[in-house]
Amino acid sequence: EVVLTQSPATLSLSPGERATLSCKTSQTISRYLAWYQQKPGQAPRLLIYDASNRATGIPARFSGSGSGTDFTLTISSLEPEDFAIYYCQQRQNWPPLTFGGGTRVEI
Amino acid sequence: QVQLVESGGGVVQPGRSLRLSCAASGFTVSAYALHWVRQPAGKGLEWAAVIWYDGTKEYYADSVKGRFTVSRDTSTNTLSLEMNSLTADDTAIYYCARSPPTDWFLDLWGRGTLVTVSS
Repeated sequence: EVVLTQSPATLSLSPGERATLSCKTSQTISRYLAWYQQKPGQAPRLLIYDASNRATGIPARFSGSGSGTDFTLTISSLEPEDFAIYYCQQRQNWPPLTFGGGTRVEI
Repeated sequence: QVQLVESGGGVVQPGRSLRLSCAASGFTVSAYALHWVRQPAGKGLEWAAVIWYDGTKEYYADSVKGRFTVSRDTSTNTLSLEMNSLTADDTAIYYCARSPPTDWFLDLWGRGTLVTVSS
């Protein structure tokens, strides 16, 4: 099973600042990584798939990069609605699909 | 409108069974792989099961294997999860989600249904 480790656990930033979130995998997964955003009381929403492809309707301030075992989600300039929990997920080695433990981005 | 809507959650005693449903609209279930992902309160996401886009294969997380069964009904465009021998560790919000047939990133999620296993 591929283990995903996200860091930091919590990121405290202000609107307008840049957010950089990390996801490291226990095995190489090529570029088969996705990022999700989850707000309180809501289902997760797909942001990025295959490391760097934005999902439909996702603003350009969200970008993803990385390959192999090290991946990054960057939010170039935080908007108030971006404060949420972010999860990474791998699809290279399955089953199971596995998720990281999440990074909370807070004000 | 393209959406997934779960139902069937509730409070159930340990050892009992429960069946969840997920109604798909705006797309056909036979064109996508369909997944169940669960989330205990205040915790992260755990993938539980998937049924192949053509219905020929199912895969399960070790934590539910042998107890949960995923199925789909193309005539009603519905996904189901039969859960048996439930324990307190199964208490969670259960989400259904879809992915492209062989690319398992989850591009559409339902709002979830809460399952509480308690005596």
